[in-house]
Amino acid sequence: DGGITQSPKYLFRKEGQNVTLSCEQNLNHDAMYWYRQDPGQGLRLIYYSQIVNDFQKGDIAEGYSVSREKKESFPLTVTSAQKNPTAFYLCASSVGTVYGYTFGSGTRLTVV
Amino acid sequence: RKEVEQDPGPFNVPEGATVAFNCTYSNSASQSFFWYRQDCRKEPKLLMSVYSSGNEDGRFTAQLNRASQYISLLIRDSKLSDSATYLCVVRNNAGNMLTFGGGTRLMVKP
Repeated sequence: DGGITQSPKYLFRKEGQNVTLSCEQNLNHDAMYWYRQDPGQGLRLIYYSQIVNDFQKGDIAEGYSVSREKKESFPLTVTSAQKNPTAFYLCASSVGTVYGYTFGSGTRLTVV
Repeated sequence: RKEVEQDPGPFNVPEGATVAFNCTYSNSASQSFFWYRQDCRKEPKLLMSVYSSGNEDGRFTAQLNRASQYISLLIRDSKLSDSATYLCVVRNNAGNMLTFGGGTRLMVKP
């Protein structure tokens, strides 16, 4: 079955540590996105990529980095520069926005 | 002003009730509109697209009012399983991005 897979489901980060969240899709979608959601809040765009080897900053890119070396993969690194990283991270992909996005099941990141 | 605004709720309704949510958007050139459903601690899932002529899917009806720049979602005969947060989503006029509203929380009580 085609879909979008995020791993791990839960992740704990120590202060000053970089962590990488995985996002893989086998839907053959060109575009991929990373969102952050805080409790009781809406989705905020971190980074997006419309095509391989190209990505753009979203509204809250500071403290995050991404790469898009393969169509299927769009990993997000939360760096130590992100001072408040505890949140629910959602990856999405789309063939085009006419049909909306398909989301992964998310990664819940907690700073310990 | 936010690009997409929703009343956060919660809307507390009894089973069997009809409930309606509205959502306003700021960009008059927006092209496509969607309603997503998000259960607690889960990812958003597409509920339905919103067409200019309005559309219905079972107990759910979505309507678009371009003149007033709002989208509505009507849920008839509410079920306990309808309890969730409903996200209003708008595609920008460049066509390459979706903007999400903050969501409206619905709680259906027995």
